[in-house]
Amino acid sequence: KNEVEQSPQNLTAQEGEFITINCSYSVGISALHWLQQHPGGGIVSLFMLSSGKKKHGRLIATINIQEKHSSLHITASHPRDSAVYICAVGPWDSNYQLIWGAGTKLIIKP
Amino acid sequence: DTAVSQTPKYLVTQMGNDKSIKCEQNLGHDTMYWYKQDSKKFLKIMFSYNNKELIINETVPNRFSPKSPDKAHLNLHINSLELGDSAVYFCASSQDGLAGAGETQYFGPGTRLLVL
Repeated sequence: KNEVEQSPQNLTAQEGEFITINCSYSVGISALHWLQQHPGGGIVSLFMLSSGKKKHGRLIATINIQEKHSSLHITASHPRDSAVYICAVGPWDSNYQLIWGAGTKLIIKP
Repeated sequence: DTAVSQTPKYLVTQMGNDKSIKCEQNLGHDTMYWYKQDSKKFLKIMFSYNNKELIINETVPNRFSPKSPDKAHLNLHINSLELGDSAVYFCASSQDGLAGAGETQYFGPGTRLLVL
């Protein structure tokens, strides 16, 4: 069992729907990252969380440290949001390493 | 200006060949990384250099050798390529190498390697 689990693995939704992608982890962490991998392959960092909630445009990321769980929400989803969303955590005993989730492939249909 | 660049973008080669992938960052970061993304899309760290010093060296065949001539460059040389080396290889950089503590990593566009 991977230390970072994402769900669902694949998600297809209609344009305009509210999207939730989940990330659960089994280790104590210092930080959690959400990244986006575009269909063309490029990877960009979306959020870094150590507590609470962050918002950027239509994207909202939350983390519950006690429950070892984070969610990434997309409001008013658009086909351009179609991508793979990846969760990665920084274990508390290593400032250098990240443990990566397998990613959630999101397709938004017009 | 591209922050993290890699060359080549695509690489098709025969088994047994030796090839190199180059990476450069113009962000002034001290740390650079190589990741391998296999067909299942998992990103796996291979190496990390901080100021030309190797700080992460995961279990990677010794056919893979990173070289950092300066802190803005981290090249990956692969000897005796095997079919299983086919993957996308990503270079990344961060300021101090503290991704685990929350530092943002910046990724290159990836190099798609296909070994025939």
